[in-house]
Amino acid sequence: EAGVTQSPTHLIKTRGQQATLRCSPISGHTSVYWYQQALGLGLQFLLWYDEGEERNRGNFPPRFSGRQFPNYSSELNVNALELEDSALYLCASSFPGQGIHEQYFGPGTRLTVT
Amino acid sequence: QKEVEQNSGPLSVPEGAIASLNCTYSDRGSQSFFWYRQYSGKSPELIMSIYSNGDKEDGRFTAQLNKASQYVSLLIRDSQPSDSATYLCAHSGYSTLTFGKGTMLLVSP
Repeated sequence: EAGVTQSPTHLIKTRGQQATLRCSPISGHTSVYWYQQALGLGLQFLLWYDEGEERNRGNFPPRFSGRQFPNYSSELNVNALELEDSALYLCASSFPGQGIHEQYFGPGTRLTVT
Repeated sequence: QKEVEQNSGPLSVPEGAIASLNCTYSDRGSQSFFWYRQYSGKSPELIMSIYSNGDKEDGRFTAQLNKASQYVSLLIRDSQPSDSATYLCAHSGYSTLTFGKGTMLLVSP
């Protein structure tokens, strides 16, 4: 069974630009989660999508946004990039439903802002 | 603030020894607990989940949960150099997981 996939693997952007990151969940999973892992910091929750709806977001500014498509894949957009946005962005997926099922992570997208 | 606390380490153990990783959490309402392993530069990999008090064993791994003490641990028996990684503890809220910052484990040959 294929795992969570993410693209691109690496992304280099200039300050002020926009970045788009993509994620495809495990087949059968409808929930998609986005996390940021900056160097030396822990995993920080960004966004949760389920059935095409944003269910919850972490403590990040509105320039971090995303969406989930009918096939449950998801896109994370980061506008007006800042240097501190440089981090590993991780997508995870799980089965749906209230409460938390096990989350499985993709390989991540390494975003570098120069 | 619903937090997860872990000793950052590194925890150094010789090959073949038992490694004991510990985690405390502040949210008494948490129901589900998870241990992830993360190799340097890679994404977290789920290795154990535990939902009720007591022990849960899977191969060389044993997770222990004590909800009254708000404490969860991971024991790795017969530690191997390939176990050297950062181990992340996480617990569930309604909508997402809250992760600790992880404990680095170093297993020396």
